Amino acid sequence: EAGVAQSPRYKIIEKRQSVAFWCNPISGHATLYWYQQILGQGPKLLIQFQNNGVVDDSQLPKDRFSAERLKGVDSTLKIQPAKLEDSAVYLCASSLETGGFQTQYFGPGTRLLVL
Amino acid sequence: QKEVEQDPGPLSVPEGAIVSLNCTYSNSAFQYFMWYRQYSRKGPELLMYTYSSGNKEDGRFTAQVDKSSKYISLFIRDSQPSDSATYLCAMNTGGFKTIFGAGTRLFVKA
Repeated sequence: EAGVAQSPRYKIIEKRQSVAFWCNPISGHATLYWYQQILGQGPKLLIQFQNNGVVDDSQLPKDRFSAERLKGVDSTLKIQPAKLEDSAVYLCASSLETGGFQTQYFGPGTRLLVL
Repeated sequence: QKEVEQDPGPLSVPEGAIVSLNCTYSNSAFQYFMWYRQYSRKGPELLMYTYSSGNKEDGRFTAQVDKSSKYISLFIRDSQPSDSATYLCAMNTGGFKTIFGAGTRLFVKA
């Protein structure tokens, strides 16, 4: 079974530029998550999708971050414009369903450095 | 106060030692307690989970939950250099959101 795929693996941009990350979840997984992991911290949920609907985006900085999951499969996360404090690893995860205990399967992450 | 507190370490132990990793939490509504392992430059992977209180054992790993103290632990017996990683505790109320601890970096020296 193929795992969660993410690209690119690394990205370096200057502040105020825009950047986009892509995620392909495990086939058949209804729920997709985007997390931000700042160095030395645990993952923080940015947005959670159930199929192509948003379940939780309460911690997404909506003035600069946006995410979509068209057709309920792949997802993209965009930052525009980027700030220095956005430097982090952006993790995508998927699970079979939503709610209760769900094993979340994580991708390798995209490491973003904003200069 | 953070919902989930975890000592970031690092924790360095010799090979073969018993490792104890811990988290405390403040939300009494948490019911699901998970431990993830994260190797350098990789995504977290689920090691074990426990529902409510009690112990769970899987090979060299034992997870304990004490809801009365709001305290969870992960024990690793006969630690190996391959166990060197960051260990993240995570908790869920049974709803949508999982809250992660900051992670403890573990080094097992050969």
